[in-house]
Amino acid sequence: DAGVIQSPRHEVTEMGQEVTLRCKPISGHDYLFWYRQTMMRGLELLIYFNNNVPIDDSGMPEDRFSAKMPNASFSTLKIQPSEPRDSAVYFCASSRGPGYTEAFFGQGTRLTVV
Amino acid sequence: QKEVEQNSGPLSVPEGAIASLNCTYSDRGSQSFFWYRQYSGKSPELIMFIYSNGDKEDGRFTAQLNKASQYVSLLIRDSQPSDSATYLCAVPPDRAGTALIFGKGTTLSVSS
Repeated sequence: DAGVIQSPRHEVTEMGQEVTLRCKPISGHDYLFWYRQTMMRGLELLIYFNNNVPIDDSGMPEDRFSAKMPNASFSTLKIQPSEPRDSAVYFCASSRGPGYTEAFFGQGTRLTVV
Repeated sequence: QKEVEQNSGPLSVPEGAIASLNCTYSDRGSQSFFWYRQYSGKSPELIMFIYSNGDKEDGRFTAQLNKASQYVSLLIRDSQPSDSATYLCAVPPDRAGTALIFGKGTTLSVSS
């Protein structure tokens, strides 16, 4: 298996623009997680899905953030409009089971909003 | 809300020494604990997990758990420069179907 695949690896955008991050989880994994990592706040859970259904989005910072999982092999995280404080590394992870099973991380998307 | 606390470091040890990384958590009901390693610019990867009180050994790595003290540690014996990374402690909430909560991580630097 190729592992969790994220795209793009790097994204530089201007404030106010829409940004879409993409993730393909490992086949057979029922759980998909979106995390954001910054030096100040560490690795924060934004939202997670179980069988394509959003379960907990309490970590989504604002209404500017939205996530979808239209099928078992694809998820998106969208920021509209983007702001400089959204600059971070965004990780997608997937697992076979809930929180007590190993989560496999993608390589991340480094987002810079200028 | 569960909290996971780690000393951010950096923790500096010479090659061949034992590195000790510590983590405390707030929820007494936590049942399992994970250690992830993250190299600079890379994604986290699982290196150890532990469910029961006591020690669990895997090669040069030993995880230690003390639920009464709400404390979990990771020992790295015979530290190598390749062990230089950030080590993240992670705890899942009790309720099934939820996601790992991560500490901010401890940065380890092993000098040759």
